[in-house]
Amino acid sequence: EVQLVESGEGLVQPGSSMKLSCVASGFTFSNYGMNWIRQAPKKGLEWIALIYYDSSSKYYADSVKGRFTISRDNSKNTLYLEMNSLRSEDTAMYYCANWELGYWGQGVMVTVSS
Amino acid sequence: DVVMTQTPVSLPVSLGGQASISCRSSQSLVHSNGNTYLHWYLQKPGQSPQLLIYRVSNRFSGVPDRFSGSGSGTDFTLKISRVEPEDLGDYYCLQSTHFPRTFGGGTKLELK
Repeated sequence: EVQLVESGEGLVQPGSSMKLSCVASGFTFSNYGMNWIRQAPKKGLEWIALIYYDSSSKYYADSVKGRFTISRDNSKNTLYLEMNSLRSEDTAMYYCANWELGYWGQGVMVTVSS
Repeated sequence: DVVMTQTPVSLPVSLGGQASISCRSSQSLVHSNGNTYLHWYLQKPGQSPQLLIYRVSNRFSGVPDRFSGSGSGTDFTLKISRVEPEDLGDYYCLQSTHFPRTFGGGTKLELK
């Protein structure tokens, strides 16, 4: 069974940093590109980052470029999202997803507030 | 960026009835490899989005044949026939042909 389990949920102050993790199981993680997507409260979905299966390429939405970094450790079947200089508008549920296989994690809530 | 315009925003339906959701893109979604990367998701309240249709018209594993996708280029449609209670929720189209990837604004399928 494919599982994607995010962690790192929390409340942080504006300007601070946070790192999310997504542990994958049930498929060969190192064969697939992975995405991070977020959803602000009561809003629609926003794609924010993609990393190729071998980390050779990374792509970001303009809204997070230069502040967020996507990375992965294929030996640990884990995807990461490092978030710096957090703003109130980054408050959202963050999902990791393998779009090729059609699977999403359950999401973790990140709240940026003073 | 490719803008995905989804209509309607809200779609009241009767159980057993039919629903149709439109998704239009500001640019062609035909990739240089010839594939069209337009997908449809359903997000039920309190849940993660679940894939219904990938690459325009392919039903994902376990998705009932009441769901069908069609379209080409910039104009796409999701149709749901014989609507059941478990079909209610927010529907999103997604394009993964171009960067940045972009979603439609969503359509809330609700009971009339």
